[in-house]
Amino acid sequence: DAMVIQNPRYQVTQFGKPVTLSCSQTLNHNVMYWYQQKSSQAPKLLFHYYDKDFNNEADTPDNFQSRRPNTSFCFLDIRSPGLGDAAMYLCATSRVRGNEQFFGPGTRLTVL
Amino acid sequence: GNSVTQMEGPVTLSEEAFLTINCTYTATGYPSLFWYVQYPGEGLQLLLKATKADDKGSNKGFEATYRKETTSFHLEKGSVQVSDSAVYFCALSETDTGNQFYFGTGTSLTVIP
Repeated sequence: DAMVIQNPRYQVTQFGKPVTLSCSQTLNHNVMYWYQQKSSQAPKLLFHYYDKDFNNEADTPDNFQSRRPNTSFCFLDIRSPGLGDAAMYLCATSRVRGNEQFFGPGTRLTVL
Repeated sequence: GNSVTQMEGPVTLSEEAFLTINCTYTATGYPSLFWYVQYPGEGLQLLLKATKADDKGSNKGFEATYRKETTSFHLEKGSVQVSDSAVYFCALSETDTGNQFYFGTGTSLTVIP
């Protein structure tokens, strides 16, 4: 089945220690998104790629970076995680912008 | 600007009760509207969608009708099950604003046997 895969499902890191979350898709969609979701809140868009075109949200901290080496993969790098970065990170894809988004299962990040 | 306002939760219902979760939106153009469901510890799943006024989206017994006159997209189900317990998010996407998704704050539903 075509899907969005996120690894790992659970990630524990230490305060200030860089961490990378990964997302892959078999849907061959043009757009990939990264969201941050904190407990009992709506997902908050961090950035998205339309093909190789990177689009950063204005309020996304510089601490968050992303890479999309090819159509199938997208990575979220957190350069110096703080306690406030503990959250669920969701990857999503869509065929084009504005179409329904397909979400992965998420990676739960814990910062010690 | 664009926004989505959802009925506040949490909502607790008995099995087989009727469900309504209200959603209203503000948009500058002609948005597409979506309902997503999130089960505990999982990502969001598309439940249903509608892309133009008077469209009705439906899936798994859930329905929502795109009402332009009242700017609403209320989610309904005639008879809920325990397995429907989840958080429900209303969302919109609009071409005029770069197709960014705007999510509501989510409504938690618990169905008790």
